[in-house]
Amino acid sequence: GENVEQHPSTLSVQEGDSAVIKCTYSDSASNYFPWYKQELGKGPQLIIDIRSNVGEKKDQRIAVTLNKTAKHFSLHITETQPEDSAVYFCAASKGSNYQLIWGAGTKLIIKP
Amino acid sequence: EAGVVQSPRYKIIEKKQPVAFWCNPISGHNTLYWYRQNLGQGPELLIRYENEEAVDDSQLPKDRFSAERLKGVDSTLKIQPAELGDSAVYLCASSLGDLRTYEQYFGPGTRLTVT
Repeated sequence: GENVEQHPSTLSVQEGDSAVIKCTYSDSASNYFPWYKQELGKGPQLIIDIRSNVGEKKDQRIAVTLNKTAKHFSLHITETQPEDSAVYFCAASKGSNYQLIWGAGTKLIIKP
Repeated sequence: EAGVVQSPRYKIIEKKQPVAFWCNPISGHNTLYWYRQNLGQGPELLIRYENEEAVDDSQLPKDRFSAERLKGVDSTLKIQPAELGDSAVYLCASSLGDLRTYEQYFGPGTRLTVT
């Protein structure tokens, strides 16, 4: 079955710097790749997603890139701010009728 | 618009006791999910409903877990009897169920501690 690996498990960056989190997936049939942000005591919240017919998507300070050949996708956060501190999860799915397979998460720490 | 509502937020029980969690999805969302999230891990799907039908329950431990979604709106997840390894956060999520819309909206979760 599908497997999603996520790196790093913890990432500490200086406020204002960029952060990059990477994920790889195993099932070439996967076509939907969301990124979720989870703050302490809350459920995950979708921050950006990408489908396999697109290589890159951007929303203000957040961008996601997808390399279908290599089967990996990445989250890029620029100009990091203290409120970006959270756990970030990547996931992959073959479609809305299939379950999301989640990565193990990355704890992002923004240092003031 | 109200988000996904879950109750209780926290529950502490002794092993072998029963426990139940309740979820009310976003109005109009046909698809409902129950996930279990262990500390330091991503959510793991337990069961997915399309309206009142359980369409994916392959990862639900059926010997002790049960779920229902009567009338296709709110849902209850039950564990009986609970074991120490059941300690986790139980998340409920909902989505429109439209094949073009994949986004899942999560509730805050119920943190279960089994002692």
